[in-house]
Amino acid sequence: DQQVKQNSPSLSVQEGRISILNCDYTNSMFDYFLWYKKYPAEGPTFLISISSIKDKNEDGRFTVFLNKSAKHLSLHIVPSQPGDSAVYFCAARQGAQKLVFGQGTRLTINP
Amino acid sequence: NAGVTQTPKFQVLKTGQSMTLQCAQDMNHEYMSWYRQDPGMGLRLIHYSVGAGITDQGEVPNGYNVSRSTTEDFPLRLLSAAPSQTSVYFCASSPGQVLGSPEAFFGQGTRLTVV
Repeated sequence: DQQVKQNSPSLSVQEGRISILNCDYTNSMFDYFLWYKKYPAEGPTFLISISSIKDKNEDGRFTVFLNKSAKHLSLHIVPSQPGDSAVYFCAARQGAQKLVFGQGTRLTINP
Repeated sequence: NAGVTQTPKFQVLKTGQSMTLQCAQDMNHEYMSWYRQDPGMGLRLIHYSVGAGITDQGEVPNGYNVSRSTTEDFPLRLLSAAPSQTSVYFCASSPGQVLGSPEAFFGQGTRLTVV
């Protein structure tokens, strides 16, 4: 029973264009949603988060949108850069710092 | 600024052996946790701790033990290694509910192979 799902295992985007990564969830009790970026042989690094009471949060090139009625969130990266190539994990917080992760989406930015 | 430090980075075990994965953080964080990452499954929570002396089970706790005697350290013990425990293990820490920050900081991981 996967509570957080990332249905696209991979995504390829041209440099300079917008990258959109999607995530769906089933549990209405999650209070925060987070995006992590992971390079090979490294730990996940935090990118951006959004509270369940908000619908948008921006930080530089990264914007996260939350649609609570659809139980869907997305991460927009614009403009995409080669250094953005990595695996992106969506995660949802379930009290006491328990994070539930999606399966990840491998983003490739092509020059 | 070390953050979260995990040792070892790589380990090969024989089935039935036991070992301890070490995790230390220098950020004075209340919360610490262990996750495992398997292909196609994201990260899954094994055990977590909300403070020294307090631990609880996550989604996949079987075959693992933890203890938290200090704020800084949160070791993960494999009691009798099985091939199904071949995985990459990540330790994480976070400030805790009081500060309201939801983000967790992760170590670089331990790649464990059980043969």
